[in-house]
Amino acid sequence: RKEVEQDPGPFNVPEGATVAFNCTYSNSASQSFFWYRQDCRKEPKLLMSVYSSGNEDGRFTAQLNRASQYISLLIRDSKLSDSATYLCVALTGGFKTIFGAGTRLFVKA
Amino acid sequence: EADIYQTPRYLVIGTGKKITLECSQTMGHDKMYWYQQDPGMELHLIHYSYGVNSTEKGDLSSESTVSRIRTEHFPLTLESARPSHTSQYLCASSESRGDQPQHFGDGTRLSIL
Repeated sequence: RKEVEQDPGPFNVPEGATVAFNCTYSNSASQSFFWYRQDCRKEPKLLMSVYSSGNEDGRFTAQLNRASQYISLLIRDSKLSDSATYLCVALTGGFKTIFGAGTRLFVKA
Repeated sequence: EADIYQTPRYLVIGTGKKITLECSQTMGHDKMYWYQQDPGMELHLIHYSYGVNSTEKGDLSSESTVSRIRTEHFPLTLESARPSHTSQYLCASSESRGDQPQHFGDGTRLSIL
C-alpha cells in the first residue's frame, strides 16, 4: 500500500463545475500536507498548504481530517485553465516527503 | 517565487556519454532533491541531500550519482548514459525547518539515443 494514495482520475468536468479530490495517507506521524499542481510536461508547483483548520485561497479550499487521515481539495467554478494533475503531499518527521501519484483533471468548455 | 534553476532544459545525447545535470538554488536552502518522472507517471525520488557533504539515495534505484560541495549546487551525474535513462529529471529544494514545502526547478528532459 502506498503511503499517500489518490484517485488517479481522470475527472472530466464542465466549466463552472465544483470538483473535489481526496487523498489518504497511511503514516499517522505525518504532520504537514500540501497540494501541488502539475501541468503536462512541467514541474510541480505548490498550490496550497493544508491546515487542520482548513484553508481557502480564492476558488480553492483544502481541508485536513487527521482522525480519518485524509486531505481534500475543492475547486469551485472550474476554469479551463484548472486542467492539470493535482498532487497530494505528506511530510513526515520534518524530512520525509511523500508525493501521491496525482489526480488528473480535465475541464471542458 | 522559488529561485531554483536547472540546466540544460533539454538534452539529446548518444549512448555511453557522461552527463551532468545542473541544479542551483539561490534561497540558501539546506535540503535538495532529485526526482525522475516519465510522462504521465508519478515522481520518483532518486537522491536527496540535507546539506553540504550530505547525500542519500532515494526510493528509486538509480545509476546516477550526486554531490553537494556547496549549499546552492546539487549536480547529478550519469557516467555512461543509456536509453533507459531517458526521462525528465526534476530538482527541488526546501528550507531546513521541518514543515516547509519543496520548490521545483523547470526540469531537464533527457533523451538518450
